[in-house]
Amino acid sequence: QKEVEQDPGPLSVPEGAIVSLNCTYSNSAFQYFMWYRQYSRKGPELLMYTYSSGNKEDGRFTAQVDKSSKYISLFIRDSQPSDSATYLCAMSPYNNNDMRFGAGTRLTVKP
Amino acid sequence: DAGVTQSPTHLIKTRGQHVTLRCSPISGHKSVSWYQQVLGQGPQFIFQYYEKEERGRGNFPDRFSARQFPNYSSELNVNALLLGDSALYLCASSSDFRVAYEQYFGPGTRLTVT
Repeated sequence: QKEVEQDPGPLSVPEGAIVSLNCTYSNSAFQYFMWYRQYSRKGPELLMYTYSSGNKEDGRFTAQVDKSSKYISLFIRDSQPSDSATYLCAMSPYNNNDMRFGAGTRLTVKP
Repeated sequence: DAGVTQSPTHLIKTRGQHVTLRCSPISGHKSVSWYQQVLGQGPQFIFQYYEKEERGRGNFPDRFSARQFPNYSSELNVNALLLGDSALYLCASSSDFRVAYEQYFGPGTRLTVT
């Protein structure tokens, strides 16, 4: 079993839809949870990170962490064609530099 | 401000050869990490350097080595290249090795081994 599991998709939605992206993990030491967006042939771009459990909102993006279920989510409201990319979840223990990534979910938002 | 820069953008090497990849972090960032991203997978941690010292190493063979220079730029070296080393090599920088959660990635170097 991988430490971080992420459905690779692909996921296709119409413009304006609410998108839900998810990851599960097995290592209870993870304390920081990140979401990155990666466009084709580019490096990952940090969208947001959360510490421990809870929600965090940034514009159209909301990140949720449920440590009891070892489950994290990223919601995208009012999705736009420019949101079409691969979304990677990542996580690391406290004060530790070894980040573990999911495989990434490829999202397409159709006009 | 310039982001993380990497060179070269692409390169093609033959099995058994050696390769050196270079990275310049964001100005003011002292920590540099290297990741390997195979097509269809997430990045996998190779090394982290902070203040010229190795702070972390992933599960990669000794053919992989790295160093950090006084200006905080970094090199990743891979010896005796294998076909399986074909991947996108990403460099990420952060202000401190303890804030790996706030890393910023460069565009990557795409290595093809034939």
